[in-house]
Amino acid sequence: GNSVTQMEGPVTLSEEAFLTINCTYTATGYPSLFWYVQYPGEGLQLLLKATKADDKGSNKGFEATYRKETTSFHLEKGSVQVSDSAVYFCASHPYNNNDMRFGAGTRLTVKP
Amino acid sequence: DVKVTQSSRYLVKRTGEKVFLECVQDMDHENMFWYRQDPGLGLRLIYFSYDVKMKEKGDIPEGYSVSREKKERFSLILESASTNQTSMYLCASRTGGVVAKNIQYFGAGTRLSVL
Repeated sequence: GNSVTQMEGPVTLSEEAFLTINCTYTATGYPSLFWYVQYPGEGLQLLLKATKADDKGSNKGFEATYRKETTSFHLEKGSVQVSDSAVYFCASHPYNNNDMRFGAGTRLTVKP
Repeated sequence: DVKVTQSSRYLVKRTGEKVFLECVQDMDHENMFWYRQDPGLGLRLIYFSYDVKMKEKGDIPEGYSVSREKKERFSLILESASTNQTSMYLCASRTGGVVAKNIQYFGAGTRLSVL
């Protein structure tokens, strides 16, 4: 079936530190992969996506590469800011059905 | 920009009450979804709808029903609220077509407390 496992939080970093949040998926076929972010008091918003193997999604300094061989889509940012404090969700969506799956979410806190 | 609007940000209800959560989207999307969000569990799909008057059960439909009488509006109904339904509820919408490539847009959420 379709499922997503992401790194448990919470994660606490100092400003300008390097961030990695791990995400792996199981799915039949070739799903599209997403990272969503939820800022305090808000709904989820799309951060980046990749729809095929070796694609790299990027936005706001965040990057993630679709690795088919390791079934992974790890989120990275070279230098985090206090404003990046949020909950991050990895999601997998198989082709041509409505079975979108989310990871449990990883809470990131960035301290000045 | 796509806008998904949930009618309430916070709701407090009593056990046994009938509760309506409303969601409206303004982008003519075919698909609409209701999730609940609980710490450590991520988002779990309750119901979704791919067209007016059409609905499909998600992973946790027990204790919930839905209504979609108009394309832009998708309502979640708790027939008899219970304390274990205290949660954050998120509505989302998405256009049709090649579904895996399309982005889901989320509302701000309704935090429901059942006392």
